[in-house]
Amino acid sequence: GAGVSQTPSNKVTEKGKYVELRCDPISGHTALYWYRQSLGQGPEFLIYFQGTGAADDSGLPNDRFFAVRPEGSVSTLKIQRTERGDSAVYLCASSPVGGSNTGELFFGEGSRLTVL
Amino acid sequence: GENVEQHPSTLSVQEGDSAVIKCTYSDSASNYFPWYKQELGKRPQLIIDIRSNVGEKKDQRIAVTLNKTAKHFSLHITETQPEDSAVYFCAANDQAGTALIFGKGTTLSVSS
Repeated sequence: GAGVSQTPSNKVTEKGKYVELRCDPISGHTALYWYRQSLGQGPEFLIYFQGTGAADDSGLPNDRFFAVRPEGSVSTLKIQRTERGDSAVYLCASSPVGGSNTGELFFGEGSRLTVL
Repeated sequence: GENVEQHPSTLSVQEGDSAVIKCTYSDSASNYFPWYKQELGKRPQLIIDIRSNVGEKKDQRIAVTLNKTAKHFSLHITETQPEDSAVYFCAANDQAGTALIFGKGTTLSVSS
């Protein structure tokens, strides 16, 4: 596609439920990142994939959060036992090569998660 | 890990004035410093970036300066226009060079 695609654009769920957020990166981009953005804050790093493997997952806040990228393209962020504090916009970004020091991140429009 | 501080949090200027946003970072190993612009409800988009081997970079009305000794970098926008109104984020790469760590953002308002 022309850009990074994220689905759903909006998700409302109840506390304790399981949620999956999907990211479809720009074709050919090997690097993929997940960020979380709360209102009035900058994007907060969660996890970085280089190909199929998670090269850096140091930003995941706890073991309720998990992400996969089984074929090195589409990625899914999974949140178990959601809490109200998980409410935020989850941004996905991709880059042509690995490592943020090599250049521009191309962001998707984000998935807005609301936990009631 | 890397920590990025950004000031001011809000900035209001008149059309045609200059705007300056400043950031400091903590990790002396950081070597890549991009700036992103995010319009309301939109995705962040790169507007300019600088690497540690240069002190200044300019692209039309936008410039970025870097002082590695002091660990700070700044965004300069000249001849501001209403369409420059947005939230601007600075960022620096972390020790491993894998993640970009963002500042909290500056909301720039340009009034005509």
